Formats: sequence, C-alpha cells, structure tokens
Amino acid sequence: AQSVTQLGSHVSVSEGALVLLRCNYSSSVPPYLFWYVQYPNQGLQLLLKYTSAATLVKGINGFEAEFKKSETSFHLTKPSAHMSDAAEYFCAVTAASGTYKYIFGTGTRLKVLA
Amino acid sequence: DGGITQSPKYLFRKEGQNVTLSCEQNLNHDAMYWYRQDPGQGLRLIYYSQIVNDFQKGDIAEGYSVSREKKESFPLTVTSAQKNPTAFYLCASSLGMNTEAFFGQGTRLTVV
Repeated sequence: AQSVTQLGSHVSVSEGALVLLRCNYSSSVPPYLFWYVQYPNQGLQLLLKYTSAATLVKGINGFEAEFKKSETSFHLTKPSAHMSDAAEYFCAVTAASGTYKYIFGTGTRLKVLA
Repeated sequence: DGGITQSPKYLFRKEGQNVTLSCEQNLNHDAMYWYRQDPGQGLRLIYYSQIVNDFQKGDIAEGYSVSREKKESFPLTVTSAQKNPTAFYLCASSLGMNTEAFFGQGTRLTVV
C-alpha cells in the first residue's frame, strides 16, 4: 500500500531563510505527487505536482520540489521564507494505479520568525 | 469562476441530531471526496465517488452517509451514530485518476 511520510510536524525558519519541508513516499510504481498548502480555517490549495515530466517541479509562490526516485523523496523548498508562507503544508500521492484515491501526509506546520 | 462550494462555513448542532453538509462543484469533475481533518491527524477519507450514483467508503465511513445523484453535488450527512462529529470537513473533486484534487473552503462542524 502507498504511504506518505512528512518528517517534522512543526518547522520554524527565520524570514529570508531557506525553507525545506520533507516528504518521503513508498511506491512500487512511479507515483503522482502533490504538495498543498492550507491557511487557517481554509481548504487546501495546490502548490505543485509531479507527473513524471520533469524531476524539478516549480510551483506557485516561489516553491519548488525535486523528485528523487532513488531516495523516494519529494521535498519542498523555497529559497527565502516570507511571513506569508506561515501555514500547514501537506504532501500527497495517488493511492494506487487504477484508483481515484489520494494518500496524504500528516502535514507540517511552518512558522516564519521575524 | 469554477470551483467547489461548501456550505455553511460554520455549523452548530445538538448531540443526537443528523446534519447534512453541502458540497457543489462546477468544474465538471467526475470524482468527489469528503475528508475529515482533526488537529495533528492530517486528512482522513470518509467517502469518495468516482461517478454519479456510485460511491465507496473511505477509511472512516462509520457514522456518515453520502449520495451522488448529480455530478455537481456530493452531500455528506453526519448521523447521530458518529461518536465524535466535531471536526473540520473538507470536500474535494478531481478530473480523474492521477490528477490533482481541488478543495472547497471547508465546513467546521461543532456538536454540543
């Protein structure tokens, strides 16, 4: 069965510092991977998605993620954190070939310090 | 604008009452989903539907029911059998397999 692990339920960075949020997946077949952001009391918004076209995926708000098959990872990065990046971030993967389901990680709450 | 509309945003109910959460989409998506979100537990799948008049249980379906009579609509009923109904509920839709899900703004249900 597919699974997604997000290392670190809480991450704090200083404004202007590098943001690195970790996501590892388990999959026996090439997966479709997604990163979402959630602001308080709101729904999830898609940041970026990996669909096998390119290993480095650029998303909205300056975020990007790199798919590394050898490490089964899809870490999210942003070179310089902004106060507005403070939110919860979820990594997700399609559950299995032939299904419409998704598997979500448990989320990482990003705090940006002034 | 295309999107997913959940209503209401906040809902209060007395214990023992059934309550129905609305979810409508105008994206022409085939698949729709209901998730429950509790602090520190991420998103847990309640029910999902791949086509009209068909739906499947997710990981935590007990105490919930759904219907999919129209492509655009996927209402969720929280029944009195649900032991801990107070939570944030998210509806989503997707075009099909291996595509991204789009989410509504959520409904926060509080049962007192």
